[in-house]
Amino acid sequence: EVQLVESGGGLVKPGGSLRLSCAASGFTFSSYSMNWVRQAPGKGLEWVSSISSSSSYIYYADSVKGRFTISRDNAKNSLYLQMNSLRAEDTAVYYCARDLARASLYWYFDLWGRGTLVTVSS
Amino acid sequence: EIVLTQSPATLSLSPGERATLSCRASQSVSSYLAWYQQKPGQAPRLLIYDASNRATGIPARFSGSGSGTDFTLTISSLEPEDFAVYYCQQRSNWPPLITFGPGTKVDIK
Repeated sequence: EVQLVESGGGLVKPGGSLRLSCAASGFTFSSYSMNWVRQAPGKGLEWVSSISSSSSYIYYADSVKGRFTISRDNAKNSLYLQMNSLRAEDTAVYYCARDLARASLYWYFDLWGRGTLVTVSS
Repeated sequence: EIVLTQSPATLSLSPGERATLSCRASQSVSSYLAWYQQKPGQAPRLLIYDASNRATGIPARFSGSGSGTDFTLTISSLEPEDFAVYYCQQRSNWPPLITFGPGTKVDIK
């Protein structure tokens, strides 16, 4: 089955750190660019970060630049998001999402995980 | 930064009716626009990309049109499973930036 499964969310204090993981299965993970998209409770969608298939190209939204780091391990079919200096406004469900096109950054998302909730609160 | 505006915020319709959703960009995005459907407690689902291309497995009752700054998602005849929130999304190559609209909720009248 083609799927993405996120993990690693939870409750963290402001200023703390968390590492999210996304396990991919059922497709050739190493051929696709991958992304993180978040959704604050009751709010809309916000793109967070993108990484190309070989990790050569990495991009971040201004709201997380300098605090979050995206990475991937193609041997383990896994995507990661290291989140440091967390703020209350980072509270959201974090989705892992596959890029529509193989071998390029097309920036449309055709496969999504179910998400993992990150809550930043004291 | 390109800002997307969606209208209306809420659309109340009955099954079988036609739904017309609008997305407007603050500057031209060419045809680099997608539409997603999201149901409560679920991840978004890609419906349309590049303004008018249906994603794999999307029924023909969903269609997209437009270019530049004005885009439309049309659902020709609403099925019960179509009541959801719909988001538009644009992509700009440089600087690399992806933004979503605030969403339109289609609910049952």
